[in-house]
Amino acid sequence: DGGITQSPKYLFRKEGQNVTLSCEQNLNHDAMYWYRQDPGQGLRLIYYSQIVNDFQKGDIAEGYSVSREKKESFPLTVTSAQKNPTAFYLCASSPVGGGAKTQYFGPGTRLLVL
Amino acid sequence: QKEVEQDPGPLSVPEGAIVSLNCTYSNSAFQYFMWYRQYSRKGPELLMYTYSSGNKEDGRFTAQVDKSSKYISLFIRDSQPSDSATYLCAMHFIQGAQKLVFGQGTRLTINP
Repeated sequence: DGGITQSPKYLFRKEGQNVTLSCEQNLNHDAMYWYRQDPGQGLRLIYYSQIVNDFQKGDIAEGYSVSREKKESFPLTVTSAQKNPTAFYLCASSPVGGGAKTQYFGPGTRLLVL
Repeated sequence: QKEVEQDPGPLSVPEGAIVSLNCTYSNSAFQYFMWYRQYSRKGPELLMYTYSSGNKEDGRFTAQVDKSSKYISLFIRDSQPSDSATYLCAMHFIQGAQKLVFGQGTRLTINP
């Protein structure tokens, strides 16, 4: 089955620690995205990538980093510089080109701070 | 002012009612409009998308876009308890980066 997988489902971070969230897709999509979701604030874009080895900052990139070494994978690292990391993190992918830029989402990772 | 405004609710209606969910936006450059449904602790799933103004129907769901008023709606007919979820509107420009702009989401409960 084609889709997007995110792991782990739950992640606990100690203060000062970097943690990495995994996102893999087998939809053959060129573009991938990371969003953060907080209660009452909808989805906010952290980073996105339209092609391998290239990515752009979204609206709230501070304290986060990404890499795009393979088309299928777009891991997100939450660094110690992110002072309020507790949130639900969603990865998405979409084809590029004309037409609707419909994004398909993974199941999410919930990050909690110990 | 946010680019996309959506009433967060919560909205609670009886089973079988017609539900109307709405978003307003400020940027007239938006051309594609989408509705996502998100169950608790799950990723959003795409319900409907429309291009420019007009209506689109899919089963019990109808998406409506009024570009002159910068207003989009999602109607749910014969609502079911399984429709209980958060509904997110999203939109993007026809050109440029593929950034979707989301509303806050409306939390909907259908009571049996």
